[in-house]
Amino acid sequence: GDSVTQMEGPVTLSEEAFLTINCTYTATGYPSLFWYVQYPGEGLQLLLKATKADDKGSNKGFEATYRKETTSFHLEKGSVQVSDSAVYFCAYSSASKIIFGSGTRLSIRP
Amino acid sequence: EAGVTQSPTHLIKTRGQQATLRCSPISGHTSVYWYQQALGLGLQFLLWYDEGEERNRGNFPPRFSGRQFPNYSSELNVNALELEDSALYLCASTLRGHRAYSNQPQHFGDGTRLSIL
Repeated sequence: GDSVTQMEGPVTLSEEAFLTINCTYTATGYPSLFWYVQYPGEGLQLLLKATKADDKGSNKGFEATYRKETTSFHLEKGSVQVSDSAVYFCAYSSASKIIFGSGTRLSIRP
Repeated sequence: EAGVTQSPTHLIKTRGQQATLRCSPISGHTSVYWYQQALGLGLQFLLWYDEGEERNRGNFPPRFSGRQFPNYSSELNVNALELEDSALYLCASTLRGHRAYSNQPQHFGDGTRLSIL
């Protein structure tokens, strides 16, 4: 069945380090792909999205490219900040369903 | 533009009671989704309402139910509460397009924290 698998956390990095959070999916058809971020005590916010193969979503220094050949949508940031500490969710959406990954908790040390 | 609003923020109940959670979508959004986020776990899809009808349901028992009103706001009802129902319940809304439905991002509220004693 359809699924989203993302890197298990927690992930702890030092400030200014390079970040990658892996996300792969299995799906029929051509879903749209999303990354959401959840800061402590809040709901989820859209971070970025890509709606077709080879699209690159970007926001706040984060990027992810929709790779159909590897069914992946890995999240990257070149230099993380303490304020990036949050839980990150990969998700895909089709006409009939939306599926979230299990979330990856990211902690950034000053 | 007001975001998705959920009420109450916190709700404390005891086992066997019933809980009602409410959600108001962003103005113009017709689809409402409900999720359960238990502590330390990801989001589990509960229910999806669109244009007043239930469109899809996650793998939850029938004591989880809901409805969507003509103004597109929604209620989630949980009957016969159990300890494991303690979680953050999130509501999200989307603008329902036609064929572009799947590329609409979800807009989330801050959730209702349900605690079962």
